[in-house]
Amino acid sequence: EMQLVESGGGLVQPGGSLRLSCAVSGFSFSSYWMHWVRQAPGKGLVWVSRINTDGSRTMYADSVKGRFTISRDNAKKTLYLEMNSLRAEDTALYYCGRGGRIEQLVLASWGQGTLVTVSS
Amino acid sequence: IQMTQSPSSLSASVGDRVTITCRASQDISNSLAWYQQKPGIVPHLLIYAASTLQSRVPSRFSGSGSGTDFTLTISSLQPEDFATYYCQEYNSALTFGPGTKVDI
Repeated sequence: EMQLVESGGGLVQPGGSLRLSCAVSGFSFSSYWMHWVRQAPGKGLVWVSRINTDGSRTMYADSVKGRFTISRDNAKKTLYLEMNSLRAEDTALYYCGRGGRIEQLVLASWGQGTLVTVSS
Repeated sequence: IQMTQSPSSLSASVGDRVTITCRASQDISNSLAWYQQKPGIVPHLLIYAASTLQSRVPSRFSGSGSGTDFTLTISSLQPEDFATYYCQEYNSALTFGPGTKVDI
């Protein structure tokens, strides 16, 4: 059974840092692009970042560029999101997602999410 | 690229035919996906490449369009289809539309 399990969320002060993790099982992690998407409470979906299979290509939403870093460890089957200089507007449920078999730029499978709250 | 959806919400009944429109601010070819999200539930991919149904998605869902204008159609609305629907372009950055809430 395919699973994506996010962790690392929590309460952090503005300007602080957090590292999110997404541990996967049940599929060949190294064969898929991976993504982070966030959703503020009661709001819509916002794509955050993506990474290709070997980690050599990454892309970020303008709102997080220069503050967030996506990475992956294929040996550990884990996706990461390093978040620095956090702002109140970064408060959201953060989902990791796996690319599709045919179209890797869509999110075919999603984790349950980890909540990040930025507040003093 | 900016994505818009219309309507932002709609009320419908079981058995109704429902159409949701998504518009991109520039040509995205057929690089468009649709997702369904029920309250408190993780989003679920319905359609990619504008019209290709994801595996195990019921055939009452269909997508069409290319370029800048796209539609998601539910041919006969079922009780489990009441949810919020998001389009997403993946021609450049992966931008989601604001969502369309379908309720009773």
